[in-house]
Amino acid sequence: QKEVEQNSGPLSVPEGAIASLNCTYSDRGSQSFFWYRQYSGKSPELIMFIYSNGDKEDGRFTAQLNKASQYVSLLIRDSQPSDSATYLCAVKKPGAGSYQLTFGKGTKLSVIP
Amino acid sequence: KAGVTQTPRYLIKTRGQQVTLSCSPISGHRSVSWYQQTPGQGLQFLFEYFSETQRNKGNFPGRFSGRQFSNSRSEMNVSTLELGDSALYLCASSSFIGVYGYTFGSGTRLTVV
Repeated sequence: QKEVEQNSGPLSVPEGAIASLNCTYSDRGSQSFFWYRQYSGKSPELIMFIYSNGDKEDGRFTAQLNKASQYVSLLIRDSQPSDSATYLCAVKKPGAGSYQLTFGKGTKLSVIP
Repeated sequence: KAGVTQTPRYLIKTRGQQVTLSCSPISGHRSVSWYQQTPGQGLQFLFEYFSETQRNKGNFPGRFSGRQFSNSRSEMNVSTLELGDSALYLCASSSFIGVYGYTFGSGTRLTVV
């Protein structure tokens, strides 16, 4: 079982719709979860982080965490063509002083005008 | 505030050569991590440094090494280059706490021919 799994996509949504991106992780002790956006040819850019079960909202983005089911998701409301990118889920390995992130392979999102 | 600076941006090397990549973290960030990104494997953790000490190392051969200087700048070295080392090498820095995620540099695109 891969440590962090994402559907590779591509996920296509029409402009204005809600895009839903999902991620599952295998290490039940994981505590910190991150979503990065990566445009083609660019480096990853942090969008959101979440530590507690439930939802966390920031503008058009909502991160959801369910530790019991070991999944984390990212919702993008009112999707725009500029949201077209690969979205990477990252999990911080448990352990004091360890800042290592394990990344999923990413989901490619395409927002159709 | 300057971001994470990686040099050089592009490199072309021949098999068997060695290469050194440089990373200057955001001012005040003491944690520096290195990742390798390839289309097939995604983002893979190489190593992490904090206060000149390597705290974690990923599953890469000993040809991959790194170090961190007292000003938090970091270098990674790859010796005896192989074709499979062609990748985007990303450096990320974080504050001491590290809980707010990492900021990535623009990366160094290494091509081994």
